[in-house]
Amino acid sequence: DIVMTQSPDSLAVSLGERATINCKSSQSVLSSSNNQKYLAWFQQKPGQPPKLLIYWASIRESGVPDRFSGSGSETDFTLTISSLQAEDVAVYYCQQYYSSVYSFGQGTKLEIK
Amino acid sequence: EVQVVESGGGLVQPGGSLRLSCAASGLTFSSYAMSWVRQAPGKGLEWVSGISENGGSTYYADFVKGRFTISRDNFKNTLYLQMNSLRAEDTALYYCESAIRHWGQGTLVTVSS
Repeated sequence: DIVMTQSPDSLAVSLGERATINCKSSQSVLSSSNNQKYLAWFQQKPGQPPKLLIYWASIRESGVPDRFSGSGSETDFTLTISSLQAEDVAVYYCQQYYSSVYSFGQGTKLEIK
Repeated sequence: EVQVVESGGGLVQPGGSLRLSCAASGLTFSSYAMSWVRQAPGKGLEWVSGISENGGSTYYADFVKGRFTISRDNFKNTLYLQMNSLRAEDTALYYCESAIRHWGQGTLVTVSS
């Protein structure tokens, strides 16, 4: 099974500053058949289900602010929030959907400094 | 608007069984793979099980293999999770999700004597 590892576990960033969260997969999630990276990012606020932010590693879901962006290679991925807003306080998860057995990273808790 | 509603959670004794249901509307249910994801209190997201669009292929995380069974009824637009031999560590909020983007509010399963 593919193991997803996020870093850091928690992060405190000042309002208006950049936040960067990393995610590493234990094996490639890049499909050679369609050249897509099967990697998604979710945001979860307390008491709410996860919300999809990014899929195919870099495609922003409809309605997601453009301060959120995703990038990465076959095994190393990054979620960047370009200018942190108060409403971005949440736990962020990466997920691979390359394997039929999906898996999540352990989560990164983002707070305001 | 897509709606995903889970039901069937509750309190069950160790070794017992429960059957979760997930009713989806506002989407062509039979066109989407579906998954169950769980979240233990205060913990991260854990992918539990997935099923292909026509139900012909099913997938499980190792920690539920042989105990849980996923199924779907495309005529009723409903996803199921039959959970047997439940353990205390199965206590969690169980989410149903469609194509990684549509999530319900979850149904709580508590395994305790």
